Amino acid sequence: EVQLLESGGGLVQPGGSLRLSCAVSGFTFSAYAMNWVRQAPGKGLEWVAAIASSGGSTYHADSVKGRFAISRDNSNNTLYLLMSSLKVEDTAVYYCASGSWGWGGSYSDFWGQGTLVTVSS
Amino acid sequence: EIVMTQAPATLSVSPGERATLSCRASQNVKNNLAWYQQKPGQAPRLLIYGASTRATGIPARFSGSGSGTEYTLTISGLQSEDFAVYYCQQYNNWPPLTFGGGTKVEIK
Repeated sequence: EVQLLESGGGLVQPGGSLRLSCAVSGFTFSAYAMNWVRQAPGKGLEWVAAIASSGGSTYHADSVKGRFAISRDNSNNTLYLLMSSLKVEDTAVYYCASGSWGWGGSYSDFWGQGTLVTVSS
Repeated sequence: EIVMTQAPATLSVSPGERATLSCRASQNVKNNLAWYQQKPGQAPRLLIYGASTRATGIPARFSGSGSGTEYTLTISGLQSEDFAVYYCQQYNNWPPLTFGGGTKVEIK
């Protein structure tokens, strides 16, 4: 059974930092690109970042570029999102989601249950 | 950036009827188009990829069609568990991956 389990969300003040984790099991994590997708309260889905299977290539949405960094540890089947200089508008549920084999734009077969990040003073 | 536009925003349908949801891309996405279903408090669930291929375990009442910039998700014989929000997503030109704003299918 495929499982993606996010953790690390919580309440943080504007300007603060947070690191999200996503523990993956049930598929060959090291063979697949991975994504972070977020959803602000009552809003739609927004892609945040992607990382190649090797970890050697990454993309970030313009809205988070320079503030967020996606990374992965293939030895521990874990995906990360380091978020810094957080803004109120970063408040959302953050989902990790599977990507393509290797690298490239793709749909997401598998999603975690999400972790809520609230940025507020 | 490719902009995805879904219509209508809300669709009221009676159980057993057919629902037709539309998704328009600002550029040709060459059938690199996926549909997701999301219920309250849950993660999105992949329904369709490649514009018309059902994902594993998705019932045959869900079908996708279209090409170029215009795509459609059809749900035939709506069941109670189908009332949800549906999103389209393009993955042809990236970054960024982009989603439509969603269509809420509600009970009439």
